[in-house]
Amino acid sequence: NAGVTQTPKFRVLKTGQSMTLLCAQDMNHEYMYWYRQDPGMGLRLIHYSVGEGTTAKGEVPDGYNVSRLKKQNFLLGLESAAPSQTSVYFCASSRLAGEETQYFGPGTRLLVL
Amino acid sequence: QKEVEQDPGPLSVPEGAIVSLNCTYSNSAFQYFMWYRQYSRKGPELLMYTYSSGNKEDGRFTAQVDKSSKYISLFIRDSQPSDSATYLCAVKAAGNKLTFGGGTRVLVKP
Repeated sequence: NAGVTQTPKFRVLKTGQSMTLLCAQDMNHEYMYWYRQDPGMGLRLIHYSVGEGTTAKGEVPDGYNVSRLKKQNFLLGLESAAPSQTSVYFCASSRLAGEETQYFGPGTRLLVL
Repeated sequence: QKEVEQDPGPLSVPEGAIVSLNCTYSNSAFQYFMWYRQYSRKGPELLMYTYSSGNKEDGRFTAQVDKSSKYISLFIRDSQPSDSATYLCAVKAAGNKLTFGGGTRVLVKP
């Protein structure tokens, strides 16, 4: 099993450009999450999904959109990138809601110039 | 005020020493307490999980929770260079999402 995979691994955007980050999991988990990690800030939840076709806002949702069209995939979109969105983005999944064990992907490093 | 506070470090120790990490939290509703380990340029992975107050031991790792003080700790005995990583504490209330601390970077020198 590959677990949780993320593409791309690294991306550079110019302000105003758009992009989509893809997360895929092969563990048949119901719940998926997108976090951003900034120095000293820990992991902050952007959006999450409790099942196929559902999404919900997390702690820092502004400037991001998500979609969960298939159970195994969770997409994070930036419609108009801003320098404040420079960060490392992690996707995670868990079998149950609020489960202690979340399985994380390797991360996507995004630089917005 | 952040819900979970954690000293960012770095914490540098010689190989074989005991590593002591801690977090404080503000919400008494938190009942589940976790430690995640994150190697450089990798995603976090669950290391230890405890429910309510008390101690939990797993090999060289011991997690402690003191709910009266809202204080959680992780101890690493006989530290190894392979323990060099960032350690993130996380807390949650029943059925809720995880709240992470900022992480403490640990460096174990051979």
